[in-house]
Amino acid sequence: DAGVTQSPTHLIKTRGQQVTLRCSPKSGHDTVSWYQQALGQGPQFIFQYYEEEERQRGNFPDRFSGHQFPNYSSELNVNALLLGDSALYLCASSVLDRAVRGYTFGSGTRLTVV
Amino acid sequence: AQSVTQLDSHVSVSEGTPVLLRCNYSSSYSPSLFWYVQHPNKGLQLLLKYTSAATLVKGINGFEAEFKKSETSFHLTKPSAHMSDAAEYFCVVSHPGSYNNAGNMLTFGGGTRLMVKP
Repeated sequence: DAGVTQSPTHLIKTRGQQVTLRCSPKSGHDTVSWYQQALGQGPQFIFQYYEEEERQRGNFPDRFSGHQFPNYSSELNVNALLLGDSALYLCASSVLDRAVRGYTFGSGTRLTVV
Repeated sequence: AQSVTQLDSHVSVSEGTPVLLRCNYSSSYSPSLFWYVQHPNKGLQLLLKYTSAATLVKGINGFEAEFKKSETSFHLTKPSAHMSDAAEYFCVVSHPGSYNNAGNMLTFGGGTRLMVKP
């Protein structure tokens, strides 16, 4: 059973460009969350998608947007890249319900903005 | 509001000695708490979780954690460190989101880097 798959694994972009990161959730999971992990810090919640809609959002600007497809896979888009957007972006999938059954994380996409 | 404080950014132990990684949390809700481990260039792996059942939680690889509500702590321990335990460890609190009170979100601590000396 495949876990969470993220692509690409590494990416280098120039300031001002746009980037799209992709995530395929674990089989049976219907919810996808995205996290940003800056170097030397803990991950920070960006947003969460369920039923193809953004359901909750962390403290990130509108430059960060996303999408969820009918097959539950998801994309994270970042526009007008800044140097400070350089980070490891982690995707986590889960089942949306009240019981906390845990999240499954992907290995992440390392984004470097130059 | 929810927050997590990991009291040590770095912990160094010798192989075969006990491990203690400290975590304090703040939560407006009855919390669900987790410990995750992150090896270099890898994703996050769940070590254990507390979800209001037994206060002493056993996880993988010999780790365990004790939930102490009065101290708002959730410290991670292991009786005997192994070289393969060297990694970054994150204490995490889960709290319900705004969507029908479901869709829990995770708040991470800043991490503790565990180094194991031979």
